[in-house]
Amino acid sequence: QITLRESGPTMVKPTQTLTLTCTFSGFSLTTSGVGVGWIRQPPGKALEWLAVIYWDDDQRYSPSLRTRLRVTKDTSKNQVVLIMTDMDPVDTATYYCAHNRDWGYFDYWGQGALVTVSS
Amino acid sequence: DIQMTQSPSTLSAFVGDRVTITCRASQSISVWLAWYQQRPGKAPNLLIYKASSLENGVPSRFSGSGSGTEFTLTISSLQPDDFATYYCQQYDSYSPTWTFGQGTKVEVK
Repeated sequence: QITLRESGPTMVKPTQTLTLTCTFSGFSLTTSGVGVGWIRQPPGKALEWLAVIYWDDDQRYSPSLRTRLRVTKDTSKNQVVLIMTDMDPVDTATYYCAHNRDWGYFDYWGQGALVTVSS
Repeated sequence: DIQMTQSPSTLSAFVGDRVTITCRASQSISVWLAWYQQRPGKAPNLLIYKASSLENGVPSRFSGSGSGTEFTLTISSLQPDDFATYYCQQYDSYSPTWTFGQGTKVEVK
């Protein structure tokens, strides 16, 4: 059974750096073809894909956020970490991590973590 | 970057209605399209992948079709549980990034 869970701060101040951790079980990020992605959703708005990291450390980033994002993995802990720099109030959103299948779609999702950016 | 446009943005329907949602890609993505359902306050749930493949456990009243730039999600007979927001997502392997549509909210008429 695949599960994922996001953890991190619920609030950050403008210009600060956000660090979110996705802890997963039921699969290994050392298995060929496996990936973990990050998706966010501002309140009342649409889903926005942010980044994905694969078993071979291949990383993909949203072009509009590429300069602010970094994704790393710790296979020994079954964790993926998202780092987003220079946070702004418009980055207030629920941040999801999800299991990426077939180099594309997301078949298992975490419950999401609401992050508010406010001074 | 590939843009995804869904229509309509909102759809009002009765229980039992046949419902169709359209998703258009700004360039061809072959069949590399997924559909998700999201209920309020919950994470999205995968319904369809590779344009027309039904995910395990998803009711057969959901179906997907299309290729290239135009895709549809059809609910053959709308059930009370189906009132939710639906998103398409492209994952063309030739594009280094992935994109979601803006969503279609299916509400009670």
